[in-house]
Amino acid sequence: DGGITQSPKYLFRKEGQNVTLSCEQNLNHDAMYWYRQDPGQGLRLIYYSQIVNDFQKGDIAEGYSVSREKKESFPLTVTSAQKNPTAFYLCASIGRDRGYNEQFFGPGTRLTVL
Amino acid sequence: AQRVTQPEKLLSVFKGAPVELKCNYSYSGSPELFWYVQYSRQRLQLLLRHISRESIKGFTADLNKGETSFHLKKPFAQEEDSAMYYCALRGAGNQFYFGTGTSLTVIP
Repeated sequence: DGGITQSPKYLFRKEGQNVTLSCEQNLNHDAMYWYRQDPGQGLRLIYYSQIVNDFQKGDIAEGYSVSREKKESFPLTVTSAQKNPTAFYLCASIGRDRGYNEQFFGPGTRLTVL
Repeated sequence: AQRVTQPEKLLSVFKGAPVELKCNYSYSGSPELFWYVQYSRQRLQLLLRHISRESIKGFTADLNKGETSFHLKKPFAQEEDSAMYYCALRGAGNQFYFGTGTSLTVIP
């Protein structure tokens, strides 16, 4: 299960703190995504990036920020402005190798705000 | 606006029975639809996509543009099919929209 990795697996944060979730891929994929997964709400898109140094907001971008300085990396920062950050976060990537038809997902990071 | 609806949060069937997981969508253009599956303790992964018209693990899904549906079907459910299933639509710019998911339990 290589290809796309997320760290850490579990993360605890105090209220008022920013925290950064890591996502790395070695698939040479162009596009990368961050989703939030909550029970009963499915996957909701936070941010996505189609190329380096460019990214777009998804449906629930408020309280989050991203960067895409390298093709392989797409870190997500959960800021103190995010009102309900406790959730499971999934990173995904997609590339030319599968005709941009198949998203590959990481194992996820579970963030808990104490 | 783009939207994917999965009306059933939970679905239970007996082993050997047919199973159908419903998915409806709204999209102004020509849709590209997918089914993703998440087995227990595994990553979310692609099951099938409508454009390839394939059968994977006995599952098929037909795009019905008139009914704006992309239901997932299998004639004989197996215990290993128990998982969370997500229907997804690809919009412009490689943005994907996911449904809320259906948790399938196959009863032995």
